[in-house]
Amino acid sequence: QVQLQESGPGLVKPSQTLSLTCTVSGASISSGDYYWSWIRQPAGKGLEWIGRVFSSGSTNYNPSLASRVSISLDTSNNRFYLHLTSVTAADTAVYYCARDILFMFDPWGQGTLVTVSS
Amino acid sequence: QSVLTQPPSASGTPGQGVTISCSGSNSNIGNSYVSWYQQLPGTAPKLLIYRDSQRPSGVPDRFSGSKSGTSASLDISGLRSEDEAAYYCAAWDGSLSGVLFGGGTRLTVL
Repeated sequence: QVQLQESGPGLVKPSQTLSLTCTVSGASISSGDYYWSWIRQPAGKGLEWIGRVFSSGSTNYNPSLASRVSISLDTSNNRFYLHLTSVTAADTAVYYCARDILFMFDPWGQGTLVTVSS
Repeated sequence: QSVLTQPPSASGTPGQGVTISCSGSNSNIGNSYVSWYQQLPGTAPKLLIYRDSQRPSGVPDRFSGSKSGTSASLDISGLRSEDEAAYYCAAWDGSLSGVLFGGGTRLTVL
C-alpha cells in the first residue's frame, strides 16, 4: 500500500523560501513508472497543481509558478521535495504531495498547512 | 479563475441521482484524459474516476464518468449522506503544459 506524508515548517516569513518534504512508503520513487507531484489548496478554495518530478529527475511546473518553484528527488531516502521561493501571503495553503500516474493523482498525502506571515 | 469550469454547487436528496459537469476546451479535455476527485470535509482529495470513465478498485459503481468533446461529467446515483463533499475534475492542458483542476463543485445531500 503506497503512502505519502508531507512534512516541513508550518510558518514561513514573506520573501523567504518554502521547503517541504514528501516521504513515500510502499513504492520506490526511483521506479520509472510514476511521476511525483505537489498540489496546493488555499483555505476554502480549489486545487492548484504546482508541478511534478519523474524518477529520472526531469520536471514539469505550473507556468504560473515556474519562476519560483523547484521539485527534486532524494532516491536514497525515497523522498521528494518542494522549494518555493519569494513567498507571499498568497502562497498560504494546504500543500499535498501525490503519486502522479499520467496526470491521475493517487494516492495523496494528508496535506500540510503552510502559513506565510511575519 | 479555473479554465475547467464546474458549477460551484449541486444538491440532491438521498436515493436521487446528480450530475456534475466539467467544461473545458480542445487544449485540455478535448485531447486529454479527465480524472475526478472527491474531497470530504477536512480530508485530502481521493481519486474517484480516471481516464474519463474508469473507477479505481473500491470506488462504488454509483459513481461513473463520461466525456464528450470538450466536456466531461461525473454521475452519482443513489445519493447517500456520505457523498456530501467537494468534487474536482482535472486534465492536462497541452497549451499551458500543465495540469488544470476545475474550480470544484460542493455537493449537498438534502
